[in-house]
Amino acid sequence: EPEVTQTPSHQVTQMGQEVILRCVPISNHLYFYWYRQILGQKVEFLVSFYNNEISEKSEIFDDQFSVERPDGSNFTLKIRSTKLEDSAMYFCASSEPDRGVPNEQFFGPGTRLTVL
Amino acid sequence: DQQVKQNSPSLSVQEGRISILNCDYTNSMFDYFLWYKKYPAEGPTFLISISSIKDKNEDGRFTVFLNKSAKHLSLHIVPSQPGDSAVYFCAASGDSNYQLIWGAGTKLIIKP
Repeated sequence: EPEVTQTPSHQVTQMGQEVILRCVPISNHLYFYWYRQILGQKVEFLVSFYNNEISEKSEIFDDQFSVERPDGSNFTLKIRSTKLEDSAMYFCASSEPDRGVPNEQFFGPGTRLTVL
Repeated sequence: DQQVKQNSPSLSVQEGRISILNCDYTNSMFDYFLWYKKYPAEGPTFLISISSIKDKNEDGRFTVFLNKSAKHLSLHIVPSQPGDSAVYFCAASGDSNYQLIWGAGTKLIIKP
């Protein structure tokens, strides 16, 4: 069964460093998303991406964040200068809304980001 | 911002019995509601969804009920099995966008 994959599973970085989290969405999906979950808190929407551009973003997704689909398979989230409060589990998801089940998003296993 | 609320952090149910997980929402613009299940160290897994034009959707052991006037939905699992032990998230979205707004989750424990 096709699945969303994410690498690395755990990333440790120093405050102020740049990190890139990588995702490979399900191949025939059209919409891509990033969410995060800070330990003990709710899952929070960051950004959605369609047709090579951002379709929606939340207040969390400020200028420190960017997304890119550098080729036909990868979808990346970059944090330019990490802060302690960026420590969280980051989930990538993908969906094909036109399939008839709106918003059925398939999630990857997550990348745990630890900022020291 | 508590647009989607799951007021029970945990629920313990005997194997074979019915599990009922509840979710309330405040935004009347939500059109779609979804339930996800999450095991530790894994991403959320889609379970079942319901459109706001329906009041019930069933898929095997899982049934979701929607009460729009009360802004309340519930997930019924019957019969409950040990593999159902996980955290269950309620999520919602509007017709004009696809971002999911999540509840805090309910940890379901199925006792043998």
